[in-house]
Amino acid sequence: AQKITQTQPGMFVQEKEAVTLDCTYDTSDPSYGLFWYKQPSSGEMIFLIYQGSYDQQNATEGRYSLNFQKARKSANLVISASQLGDSAMYFCAMTKGEGDKIIFGKGTRLHILP
Amino acid sequence: KAGVTQTPRYLIKTRGQQVTLSCSPISGHRSVSWYQQTPGQGLQFLFEYFSETQRNKGNFPGRFSGRQFSNSRSEMNVSTLELGDSALYLCASGSSGYAYNEQFFGPGTRLTVL
Repeated sequence: AQKITQTQPGMFVQEKEAVTLDCTYDTSDPSYGLFWYKQPSSGEMIFLIYQGSYDQQNATEGRYSLNFQKARKSANLVISASQLGDSAMYFCAMTKGEGDKIIFGKGTRLHILP
Repeated sequence: KAGVTQTPRYLIKTRGQQVTLSCSPISGHRSVSWYQQTPGQGLQFLFEYFSETQRNKGNFPGRFSGRQFSNSRSEMNVSTLELGDSALYLCASGSSGYAYNEQFFGPGTRLTVL
């Protein structure tokens, strides 16, 4: 069965510092996709970044990058130069593909301090 | 391009009543998935529809049902509401049936059952 583990329930980071949010996953499928979502207090899930299991390079989207280590089944999110607006809940998630459900981790609540 | 819309945004019901939530996906997207988010259980998959057919279903009782219309809009219905159904209900829109890299969420409907 698929599983996502986020071991950091909460983090406090100083503004402008880089942040790494940890995510490990477990699956026996050779083909899968990994996501990171941001959920502010408003509740909406905001798509940040996606990594396919066959992608050779780490995904990047602006200040977000995904540190994909396939052998270790790790998909950490790195936020460079954090901003106050980055304060939110962050979810790591995975899916096997077409029509399949997304499995979410429990999330990490990130607090950016001024 | 307009994002995913969900109506209503907030809903208060009493035990035993039924409720219908609506989700309009991004224009051109044919896949709609529904998720329930609670503090205790986190984000859990309810079901996914593609071209008016339910392709995947999570582990929820039969009181939870859904459907998708020819214009890809989807509704989910919960009958005989219980206190434990209080949650944020999120729908996600995907294109061309592939869940790999396009899953965009709506703002959610926050349901409170009294």
